[in-house]
Amino acid sequence: GAGVSQTPSNKVTEKGKYVELRCDPISGHTALYWYRQSLGQGPEFLIYFQGTGAADDSGLPNDRFFAVRPEGSVSTLKIQRTERGDSAVYLCASSLSGSAGELFFGEGSRLTVL
Amino acid sequence: DQQVKQNSPSLSVQEGRISILNCDYTNSMFDYFLWYKKYPAEGPTFLISISSIKDKNEDGRFTVFLNKSAKHLSLHIVPSQPGDSAVYFCAGTNAGGTSYGKLTFGQGTILTVHP
Repeated sequence: GAGVSQTPSNKVTEKGKYVELRCDPISGHTALYWYRQSLGQGPEFLIYFQGTGAADDSGLPNDRFFAVRPEGSVSTLKIQRTERGDSAVYLCASSLSGSAGELFFGEGSRLTVL
Repeated sequence: DQQVKQNSPSLSVQEGRISILNCDYTNSMFDYFLWYKKYPAEGPTFLISISSIKDKNEDGRFTVFLNKSAKHLSLHIVPSQPGDSAVYFCAGTNAGGTSYGKLTFGQGTILTVHP
């Protein structure tokens, strides 16, 4: 597709379970970002990939959160031992390297932890 | 510490009138600012941006003004149209840094344009 694709669009899980969220960026975009948006708030930065490597993971809230991008394209955000406070919309975005700030966002994955 | 603040949770205007959305920031390292628009169940989409070397940037019906001394920016939409009804987010970043896509967003303002 032409845009950023995220799956699943909705995920309901129980407290303590493991979750994986997938992002397929726009073809040719080397930069990939994960953001998290809680209800009534703006998106909050989690992690930034340039190619395969995590260039900035300063936004990950704790060590239960981890993300990978093994081949420099698709990325997976992994959340271990989920907590109710992890409930949010997880947004993925991509951009051409060098395009300051103009990110192309996917529709997001809504995670609900019961 | 909320580095980007949008103090108006909502704004309602009549079709054809001007919409003015405001944003304040505290981080002096921010040198590039963006506005994003978000419809329900969609991701944010880029609208307009401004570098700190400018005080105004215009794109069709949309104009962003930057007042660096006041650490304030605003988005003007004129004339407003019902299709402009959405949530508008202001964001700042340090374009000179290594993570220029690391945006800090405000809380958003819900704009409703009435026909």
